[in-house]
Amino acid sequence: KQEVTQIPAALSVPEGENLVLNCSFTDSAIYNLQWFRQDPGKGLTSLLLIQSSQREQTSGRLNASLDKSSGRSTLYIAASQPGDSATYLCAARSFSGGYNKLIFGAGTRLAVHP
Amino acid sequence: KAGVTQTPRYLIKTRGQQVTLSCSPISGHRSVSWYQQTPGQGLQFLFEYFSETQRNKGNFPGRFSGRQFSNSRSEMNVSTLELGDSALYLCASSSGGDRVRYEQYFGPGTRLTVT
Repeated sequence: KQEVTQIPAALSVPEGENLVLNCSFTDSAIYNLQWFRQDPGKGLTSLLLIQSSQREQTSGRLNASLDKSSGRSTLYIAASQPGDSATYLCAARSFSGGYNKLIFGAGTRLAVHP
Repeated sequence: KAGVTQTPRYLIKTRGQQVTLSCSPISGHRSVSWYQQTPGQGLQFLFEYFSETQRNKGNFPGRFSGRQFSNSRSEMNVSTLELGDSALYLCASSSGGDRVRYEQYFGPGTRLTVT
């Protein structure tokens, strides 16, 4: 059964810092891994999607890596800004419980202060 | 291109009642998935519909059901509401053509409160 864990649960950093959010998954047989951002009370915004055959994806100041063999993914945010404050969720798509589904971690709540 | 829309955005129901939530996917998307988000359990997958057929499901009781129409719009129904059903219900759409590769796009959610 696939389980996804995110560390740390919360993070507070000053503006301008580079930071790394961690995501680990127990079953390495994933199809892909997706990173999302969620603002309070809102839906999810897709940030990056990494297919199982890929090692990393980049979008602007964001870079996500995937290491299937170790069951880990990291989201790197460069030069953080107050507008980056949100909860970041990772989700692994895998075959679990007889079905193809997206399994989410609990998220990392990020606060970037000026 | 318009994003995923969900109606209503907020809903208050009484225990024992039933509720229907609606989701309109991004134009051209044929797959619609539903998720429940609560502070205690986080985001949990409910089910996925593709071309009017349920093709994936999570571990929720039969009180939770859904359907998809020929225009890909989807509805989710919860019968005999319980206090624990209070949550943010999120809908996500994707092209769905390639079951492995597709990226999911989420709507703003429907906040359901059961009193």
